[in-house]
Amino acid sequence: AQTVTQSQPEMSVQEAETVTLSCTYDTSESDYYLFWYKQPPSRQMILVIRQEAYKQQNATENRFSVNFQKAAKSFSLKISDSQLGDAAMYFCACQNTGNQFYFGTGTSLTVIP
Amino acid sequence: EAGVAQSPRYKIIEKRQSVAFWCNPISGHATLYWYQQILGQGPKLLIQFQNNGVVDDSQLPKDRFSAERLKGVDSTLKIQPAKLEDSAVYLCASSFVPGINIQYFGAGTRLSVL
Repeated sequence: AQTVTQSQPEMSVQEAETVTLSCTYDTSESDYYLFWYKQPPSRQMILVIRQEAYKQQNATENRFSVNFQKAAKSFSLKISDSQLGDAAMYFCACQNTGNQFYFGTGTSLTVIP
Repeated sequence: EAGVAQSPRYKIIEKRQSVAFWCNPISGHATLYWYQQILGQGPKLLIQFQNNGVVDDSQLPKDRFSAERLKGVDSTLKIQPAKLEDSAVYLCASSFVPGINIQYFGAGTRLSVL
């Protein structure tokens, strides 16, 4: 069975500053994918960034980047130059080769003006 | 490109009543997922379809929950009878196979069981 753990229920960041959200996962598979999803109050989950486990290079998407440590099974999300629109719940997820997704419990991010 | 459509947006029922949720995935997406998201938790997979076949329903409470995906397109999730603990947001997602299965989510249905 796969598990995804997000140990920070809540985080806050000043506007324009940088924040890092933590995620660890456990899987017995050698091939898998990792994702960060954002869920604003509207409830619609939006993909932020994804990482293929076989790639060593960390994924980057504009102000969003990840620190993928495969041996430690760690997958943190860094948000640079935080904006008010970044405020949301952030979920880390792991997808196995059977296309099944496992989500963490989420981190609520507050952006302080 | 139209997104994943779900209806209704909200539903309030009394315990022991029945309820059904509808999902229309993105055109061409073969895989469809139903998730249950209880307040303060991450989404939990209930059932996964590949076209109109079930891939995984290991976490679906089959004594009261059922789902179908006729013709491999639209899907319906039903709860009969509902319990208080079924109060949650029910999310539908779809993805295109093969490759990295990025899931595209609908806005969900918020169910309140009184």
